[in-house]
Amino acid sequence: AQSVSQHNHHVILSEAASLELGCNYSYGGTVNLFWYVQYPGQHLQLLLKYFSGDPLVKGIKGFEAEFIKSKFSFNLRKPSVQWSDTAEYFCAVNRDGSARQLTFGSGTQLTVLP
Amino acid sequence: EADIYQTPRYLVIGTGKKITLECSQTMGHDKMYWYQQDPGMELHLIHYSYGVNSTEKGDLSSESTVSRIRTEHFPLTLESARPSHTSQYLCASTERTGTGMNEQFFGPGTRLTVL
Repeated sequence: AQSVSQHNHHVILSEAASLELGCNYSYGGTVNLFWYVQYPGQHLQLLLKYFSGDPLVKGIKGFEAEFIKSKFSFNLRKPSVQWSDTAEYFCAVNRDGSARQLTFGSGTQLTVLP
Repeated sequence: EADIYQTPRYLVIGTGKKITLECSQTMGHDKMYWYQQDPGMELHLIHYSYGVNSTEKGDLSSESTVSRIRTEHFPLTLESARPSHTSQYLCASTERTGTGMNEQFFGPGTRLTVL
């Protein structure tokens, strides 16, 4: 069965620190990759996505992620976090373009201290 | 403004009651989904629909049922709520594309507590 692993359950950083959240998946075929974010009290919303092409994708609010196929990874990065980035971040994987299957990781809670 | 709505946002109810969680979207999306999420855990797909009169069960077994009589509406029903149904339920939708899965748009969720 396909699984998605997010290694860090809770990350605490100070403002201006750099961020990297890990995401690994366990499927060897074609994948579409997503990072979603949920700010306190708000809907889950898309941060960025990778379907094909340049493996380095840029999303909203200065976030980016790099797809490394050989490592089955899609890590999320931001060079300098802000207090407003405090949220829960979910990695999700779609297998073979299936309209049915979007598998989520367990999420990483990011707390940014002012 | 196009959006996806869920009501109620919070529900506390006694064991044995019948409940319906509402989900509506104004984006004209064909595909809709219900996920269940426990605190600190991943989202698990419990139901999905490709369009009107099309519903299927997801990976996580659920005693809930769904219906899709109209494109914009995808309610979830529990005939007899139990404490084990306590969880957050998220509704999502996405447009039909030729390349498969596109971005899913999520509602705010319903946090259900069964006493």
